[in-house]
Amino acid sequence: QKEVEQNSGPLSVPEGAIASLNCTYSDRGSQSFFWYRQYSGKSPELIMFIYSNGDKEDGRFTAQLNKASQYVSLLIRDSQPSDSATYLCAVSVNQGAQKLVFGQGTRLTINP
Amino acid sequence: DAGITQSPRHKVTETGTPVTLRCHQTENHRYMYWYRQDPGHGLRLIHYSYGVKDTDKGEVSDGYSVSRSKTEDFLLTLESATSSQTSVYFCAISELDTQYFGPGTRLTVL
Repeated sequence: QKEVEQNSGPLSVPEGAIASLNCTYSDRGSQSFFWYRQYSGKSPELIMFIYSNGDKEDGRFTAQLNKASQYVSLLIRDSQPSDSATYLCAVSVNQGAQKLVFGQGTRLTINP
Repeated sequence: DAGITQSPRHKVTETGTPVTLRCHQTENHRYMYWYRQDPGHGLRLIHYSYGVKDTDKGEVSDGYSVSRSKTEDFLLTLESATSSQTSVYFCAISELDTQYFGPGTRLTVL
C-alpha cells in the first residue's frame, strides 16, 4: 500500500511568519510531488510541483524534496490570512496515467 | 479551472438507487480521473481513463463503474448506492504531468 503521511494539524502560524508543512511517502519509485491548497468547500488547486531533489521557489512558496529521506515539504514565507486553508501533499509514479496518492492534508491557520 | 465542469453539483439519493455523475472537459485532454474525498482520508483515486473507451481501476474502485464514450465526458456510476459512498467526488484532468480538479459533486446517500 502506497502511503503519503501528513500531520493533520491544525497548524497555527502568526501573520508574517514562515509556515512549514511536511509530508513523507512510502513508495521509493515516486517521481513527481505536488502541493495543493484547498479552501473549505472548494476543489484542490495546484500550488507547486517538484521532481528533483533540492529546493524549488515560486514567489512566497518553496518546495523542498529529499528522495533519500522520502520527504517533501512546503514553506510559505510572509504568511497571510488568505493562506489559511488545508494543504494536500500528493505523489505519483508517472507511468502513462498519473495516479496521484494524497496525504490526508494539513489544516493551516494564519493568525492576524 | 482547466475547463472542467461536473454535474450535478449536489445530489441526495437513497440507498440502493443508481447514481451517475458526469465530468465534462472542453480542452481535449487524454487523461481523466475520478477521486473521492472523505474526512481523514484525503483524496483517493476511484477510476481513471487514458482515452475513449480506455479505463482502469484506482485504489477504491469497488462499487463504482465508469465509462468514456467521448473524449470530453467521463461518467462515474454507482450501480446501487450505499451510505458509505456519501462523499465529495472530484473529477480531474492531466495537463503536462500535473492534475487539475473540477469543482466537485457532493453526494449524500440516505
